[in-house]
Amino acid sequence: GAGVSQSPRYKVAKRGQDVALRCDPISGHVSLFWYQQALGQGPEFLTYFQNEAQLDKSGLPSDRFFAERPEGSVSTLKIQRTQQEDSAVYLCASSPASNQPQHFGDGTRLSIL
Amino acid sequence: AQTVTQSQPEMSVQEAETVTLSCTYDTSESDYYLFWYKQPPSRQMILVIRQEAYKQQNATENRFSVNFQKAAKSFSLKISDSQLGDAAMYFCALGAGSYQLTFGKGTKLSVIP
Repeated sequence: GAGVSQSPRYKVAKRGQDVALRCDPISGHVSLFWYQQALGQGPEFLTYFQNEAQLDKSGLPSDRFFAERPEGSVSTLKIQRTQQEDSAVYLCASSPASNQPQHFGDGTRLSIL
Repeated sequence: AQTVTQSQPEMSVQEAETVTLSCTYDTSESDYYLFWYKQPPSRQMILVIRQEAYKQQNATENRFSVNFQKAAKSFSLKISDSQLGDAAMYFCALGAGSYQLTFGKGTKLSVIP
């Protein structure tokens, strides 16, 4: 496909469970970003990869959040021991370079019960 | 730190009319980019228009144009000849210094037939 692909589109988990969210960026895009969007808010930065290197994880809200991009393409955002406050839409974006416009996926809506 | 403020939580416009969405920002960086993204209910963030801070000329993309006032740190979006498909959340975003985007809280635009 031509765009950024995220899966699953919806995820429901019980509090305390671990979840994994996948992002497949546009082919050839070096930069990959994760954002968290709470209901009624704008997206907030979580973490940034340049190829396989995680250059910035300053936005990750706690050590329960972990992201990886081992081969410089697909990325996974993992949340351990989920809490209700983790409920949000998680958006992934990619760009050819860090200062180029970011292309967003459809997001994963995570609901923690 | 960067901040982006959108003071209009909701706006409405009659079909075929013109509407202006407001955005102010703050950054200490001299080199930065400003963006307007559109987010329909499908959740995908779609780039509407981009403005480089070093360019004095206001960006234009078909029916969409911006009024970039650098000294006032203002970046408004004008939508001309509004169409039903323009109804969505609109987010103003700032990319400064580093690569991450800082978003405003958004403006919900309704188009009245």
